[in-house]
Amino acid sequence: EVLLVESGGGSVQPGGSLRLSCAASGFSFSSFNMNWVRQAPGKGLEWLAYISSTSTTVYYADSVKGRFTISRDNANNSLYLQMKSLRAEDTAVYYCARLTPKVTIGRYIDYWGQGTPVTVSS
Amino acid sequence: SYDLTQPPSVSVSPGQTANITCSADKLGERYVCWYQHKPGQSPVVVIYQDTKRPPGIPARISGSNSGNTATLTISGTQALDEADYYCQVWDSSTVVFGGGTKLTVL
Repeated sequence: EVLLVESGGGSVQPGGSLRLSCAASGFSFSSFNMNWVRQAPGKGLEWLAYISSTSTTVYYADSVKGRFTISRDNANNSLYLQMKSLRAEDTAVYYCARLTPKVTIGRYIDYWGQGTPVTVSS
Repeated sequence: SYDLTQPPSVSVSPGQTANITCSADKLGERYVCWYQHKPGQSPVVVIYQDTKRPPGIPARISGSNSGNTATLTISGTQALDEADYYCQVWDSSTVVFGGGTKLTVL
């Protein structure tokens, strides 16, 4: 069974930092590209960041570029999101998400974690 | 960037058919995925590659995509279908979501 379990969420003051983790199991983690997606209160799903299976390629949404860093540790089946200079508008539930393989036409997210909440407030 | 437009809300009576649209330039030339998202839960794929259903998704949920519009159709709508629905495409190596549609079953 594919499992993605996020951790590291919590409350932080504006300007602060937080590191989210995602523990993957039930599949060959090192073979899959991964993403972070968030949902702010009352808002829709927002894609944040992508990392290739070997960490060679990363992409970010403009809203987090320069503040967030996605990374992974294939030896420990883990995905990370380092968040800095946090703002009130970064308050959201953050999801770890697995992307379908490159050979898939019309790629999409086939597995999601349960989400970890982040609150940025003074 | 590639923008996907969805109506903010759709209402339907139980047993009737709900159509949720997703629009973008030449959307029919891309493959669309649809997610169902209920409060407190993780999103679930209900349609991928325009028309395919994952295991466990009932046949009353279907999808189509042509021209500039993709449509998610839920026939015989039930109370359990009440949720937010998002369309999504893969564009320039990034995941692009529509703004989401809240389906209300009255």
